[in-house]
Amino acid sequence: GDSVTQTEGLVTLTKGLPVMLNCTYQTTYSPFLFWYVQHLNEAPKLLLKSSTDNKRTEHQGFYATLHKSSSSFHLQKSSVQLSDSALYFCALSVGNYKPTFGKGTSLVVHP
Amino acid sequence: DMKVTQMPRYLIKRMGENVLLECGQDMSHETMYWYRQDPGLGLQLIYISYDVDSNSEGDIPKGYRVSRKKREHFSLILDSAKTNQTSVYFCASRPVGAPNERLFFGHGTKLSVL
Repeated sequence: GDSVTQTEGLVTLTKGLPVMLNCTYQTTYSPFLFWYVQHLNEAPKLLLKSSTDNKRTEHQGFYATLHKSSSSFHLQKSSVQLSDSALYFCALSVGNYKPTFGKGTSLVVHP
Repeated sequence: DMKVTQMPRYLIKRMGENVLLECGQDMSHETMYWYRQDPGLGLQLIYISYDVDSNSEGDIPKGYRVSRKKREHFSLILDSAKTNQTSVYFCASRPVGAPNERLFFGHGTKLSVL
């Protein structure tokens, strides 16, 4: 079946440093990949999405590139802010109705 | 207004009591979902609804049932709640046949079963 793997459960960084959150997936279908962000006590909301191979997509300073050759969709930001502290989910969607979520990566940014 | 609304936001129940979690959306989305979120486990799919009276089990349906009598409304029912059903429950919706579309999430219901 389809699966999404996020290798880091917790990432702790100092403000201003770059970050990369890993996401790899497995599917035999044509994939749509998403990153959702969930701030404390809030609903998950879309951060960015892509289905185009090797094309960088950006939103709110975050960016990711879907690489079908390596089945990856890593999330990056060049300089994290305190407000970026949140839970980040990578999700895979294919032709069926069941999006598959990774277990999430908690990002904690310190002053 | 593109909103998914969940009621209640917080709920405390005793083991063995019945629980009803309600979800509404104003986007006429055909597909709706119930997830539970537990630390370290991410979002686990409980049930999917493809439209009125067209529901399907997700990955962890045991102990839950759902009802969808109107397109805009999707309920999650726990008959005789158990302590291991303490969790945060999220409802979500998405247009049918649109795997490239994002899910719209509600704010969640935090359920404690004592």
